[in-house]
Amino acid sequence: GAVVSQHPSWVICKSGTSVKIECRSLDFQATTMFWYRQFPKQSLMLMATSNEGSKATYEQGVEKDKFLINHASLTLSTLTVTSAHPEDSSFYICSASSGAGSPLHFGNGTRLTVT
Amino acid sequence: AQSVTQPDIHITVSEGASLELRCNYSYGATPYLFWYVQSPGQGLQLLLKYFSGDTLVQGIKGFEAEFKRSQSSFNLRKPSVHWSDAAEYFCAVAQEYGNKLVFGAGTILRVKS
Repeated sequence: GAVVSQHPSWVICKSGTSVKIECRSLDFQATTMFWYRQFPKQSLMLMATSNEGSKATYEQGVEKDKFLINHASLTLSTLTVTSAHPEDSSFYICSASSGAGSPLHFGNGTRLTVT
Repeated sequence: AQSVTQPDIHITVSEGASLELRCNYSYGATPYLFWYVQSPGQGLQLLLKYFSGDTLVQGIKGFEAEFKRSQSSFNLRKPSVHWSDAAEYFCAVAQEYGNKLVFGAGTILRVKS
C-alpha cells in the first residue's frame, strides 16, 4: 500500500532555532499534502493545505511566517518551524493524497520538543 | 462548517466485552466519514470509511461502523475487544475523499483484563 514517510520522528531543539520536518510520498504522487498539529491529549488540528507548486493555504490562526510549508515536488513537502518556542512543542503529522477522490495516507508524525 | 463530536473522552471495557464508540457529525451534505486509531506516539491508521451505499461498513481488526443519517451518527463497534485494541480512536469527516479531514476530540480506550 501507499506509504508516507515523515522525518524526523522526533526532534529536540533550542528556543529560537528553526526545525524542518519532511513528508515524503514513497510510491505515489502527492498532489496535495496536509499538515496537522496535535497537542498532548488533544485532537489533530489542520494547520495548512499544500498543493504541489502552489503556495500553502493556512487555517485561521496559524501563522504562515512561522510555519513555512514548501511543496516543491510531487513527492516531498516540508514544514519549517521558524524561531521555535516551547509553545510550539507538539506532535506534527502530515498526510498526502494524489488528489480528490483518492485516499489520504498519513505519516507517523514528528514529536517536536522545544527547550 | 463541518464538525465532529466524540462525547466520550475515556472508555474502559473488559477484554472480551463488546465496544461502541460514539461519533456525531455536523455537515450539510452527505459526508465522507472515517475512523482512525492512534497508538501512543504513533501516526494514524485507518480502520474504516463510509462514502455511500450500505450503511454498515466493515473495517480492519474486526471493527465495524454504522452510518445513521437521521441521527448524524457514525458509531464504531467491535463485538469482542482485545487488549491490543487499547489506543485512541478518532472519528473524522471530509467533504470529499482525499480532502482535508476534520477530526473529533478522540476517545481513549482502555482494556482491562
